[in-house]
Amino acid sequence: EAQVTQNPRYLITVTGKKLTVTCSQNMNHEYMSWYRQDPGLGLRQIYYSMNVEVTDKGDVPEGYKVSRKEKRNFPLILESPSPNQTSLYFCASSFGQGSNQPQHFGDGTRLSIL
Amino acid sequence: GENVEQHPSTLSVQEGDSAVIKCTYSDSASNYFPWYKQELGKGPQLIIDIRSNVGEKKDQRIAVTLNKTAKHFSLHITETQPEDSAVYFCAAGRANSKLTFGKGITLSVRP
Repeated sequence: EAQVTQNPRYLITVTGKKLTVTCSQNMNHEYMSWYRQDPGLGLRQIYYSMNVEVTDKGDVPEGYKVSRKEKRNFPLILESPSPNQTSLYFCASSFGQGSNQPQHFGDGTRLSIL
Repeated sequence: GENVEQHPSTLSVQEGDSAVIKCTYSDSASNYFPWYKQELGKGPQLIIDIRSNVGEKKDQRIAVTLNKTAKHFSLHITETQPEDSAVYFCAAGRANSKLTFGKGITLSVRP
């Protein structure tokens, strides 16, 4: 089954404790992206990657890191999480450049930073 | 950069009625306009998309129309059903740029 898998689905942690949210897709997509969803703000892009070893900042990259060492994986790293990063996070993937192709989303990761 | 706005932010309709959700965009170079449906506890799922060389596209009860001159596009849902209740996002994009989403609209279909 074609899918984007995120882990964990839920996480409660404390300020400053490094965490990684994993994202994996099995569709051989070139493009992968991370979004955060906050009430009243919709979906905002954090980082995206057009292919292996190619990453770029989205609209709200501060406080986040990503890497794309393999085509299928695109982890989101919070080196020193803060309460304003409490949010619902989505990973997405697509063929090609992503901005003009249908995107496939994971089911989300709800992060609470205390 | 691109700016996508969705109106209204909430919409309530009676089951069986039609629902129309409108989005406006600012970048005349945008040429791809998808609509996503997000159900509770799930990620957004593409329901229909349209490219700038087409004015209208239909898929059963769902249709999307695009007015490039006015820079707006609309989602039309006919014969609404309770399972159509969800959050709907529009977006605009083009090659070599990022996909920009609207803030979303919550559609409620009253039985």
